[in-house]
Amino acid sequence: DTAVSQTPKYLVTQMGNDKSIKCEQNLGHDTMYWYKQDSKKFLKIMFSYNNKELIINETVPNRFSPKSPDKAHLNLHINSLELGDSAVYFCASSETGPNSPLHFGNGTRLTVT
Amino acid sequence: GENVEQHPSTLSVQEGDSAVIKCTYSDSASNYFPWYKQELGKRPQLIIDIRSNVGEKKDQRIAVTLNKTAKHFSLHITETQPEDSAVYFCAASKSNSGYALNFGKGTSLLVTP
Repeated sequence: DTAVSQTPKYLVTQMGNDKSIKCEQNLGHDTMYWYKQDSKKFLKIMFSYNNKELIINETVPNRFSPKSPDKAHLNLHINSLELGDSAVYFCASSETGPNSPLHFGNGTRLTVT
Repeated sequence: GENVEQHPSTLSVQEGDSAVIKCTYSDSASNYFPWYKQELGKRPQLIIDIRSNVGEKKDQRIAVTLNKTAKHFSLHITETQPEDSAVYFCAASKSNSGYALNFGKGTSLLVTP
């Protein structure tokens, strides 16, 4: 019974294409996030949403557009993919409020060729 | 800036020895410090966390210490086992962030039998 689920697990595509990654959580959390993990394993926050509203956009190129149709879903759409977008993208959720641990999904490995 | 520095980047110990990973942070408003373990190809998972009103917390073989004055916190693993081999990330809460976390760059721990 996966708490935070992402699809797809793997995504291989060519430069210039547009792709989406979907995320759903069944934990009843109000806050969801997208993190990017590069080849050196560095985890960097991209976006944070609280109850469908954007809280953080960490200087991410506007080719990346998150969408939250409801508080249980946070999708990530990427336009005009570039080689440097290759990474593992993790969705996460947490309870609203400080001092709340993140619960990560299993990640989506994006490879741009 | 809001940085979390983590050392060492790699750590190799023999089974049964202790392992210590150290982190420093710069955001004086940070008040939540979790540690995550990431096994190869898997998602980061919370192993222990500490809040700013506590100096030390222990859970079986794992302990975390926090020195808010010096902005240091550390992870201690005693009696290491081969299954402790993984990448460990420290993190600190970001102020004005909607509860997102800033992560250190990770420590790759190898426990050899």
